[in-house]
Amino acid sequence: DTGVSQNPRHKITKRGQNVTFRCDPISEHNRLYWYRQTLGQGPEFLTYFQNEAQLEKSRLLSDRFSAERPKGSFSTLEIQRTEQGDSAMYLCASTSDRGDTEAFFGQGTRLTVV
Amino acid sequence: AQTVTQSQPEMSVQEAETVTLSCTYDTSESDYYLFWYKQPPSRQMILVIRQEAYKQQNATENRFSVNFQKAAKSFSLKISDSQLGDAAMYFCAYSSRTGTASKLTFGTGTRLQVTL
Repeated sequence: DTGVSQNPRHKITKRGQNVTFRCDPISEHNRLYWYRQTLGQGPEFLTYFQNEAQLEKSRLLSDRFSAERPKGSFSTLEIQRTEQGDSAMYLCASTSDRGDTEAFFGQGTRLTVV
Repeated sequence: AQTVTQSQPEMSVQEAETVTLSCTYDTSESDYYLFWYKQPPSRQMILVIRQEAYKQQNATENRFSVNFQKAAKSFSLKISDSQLGDAAMYFCAYSSRTGTASKLTFGTGTRLQVTL
């Protein structure tokens, strides 16, 4: 296991199209997080999974956004009807639930909406 | 809600010198974690150092150390003997011990340049 993996690394899409990103966390980690990072800003929390259950969603996650984590393994983040304001880096992170607070991040998916 | 503020958008340090990055935060909680994460260009974010709020002793990891002032809500990072590989964005982050497990609130980051 080489860490958190995110695919694709880059995505360019036309406004109005749907996009889906994938995150594969570290295999023994049952907590998974999605963050969004825009230029010049720090990452902002979007949503959190404990195993397959989505336990928290940020107000940033509009109804065009949906995230899933079937079987508590990989996760997908889908954006429907993309807008230019959705252009950002989408980061995935995972942690264990053993009391270890260190979050391990993937390299992110950079989305550009044209 | 918790907030994290990094007032230095960019810092520069010469190789082998020492640099301090500033961070302040606001919270009404008494028990929490503070972190410094490093984000090199086009690479994933990695943890540099963490501090548990109930511990009075400042955390140290090799060349990296923090100055944690709980009453002042200040959490600065000192990098000693700076190396070219330290060049990156550095983010200060907060995590509550009572809220969503390990959810991080980040500052806006400080870009560190290391010169020869």
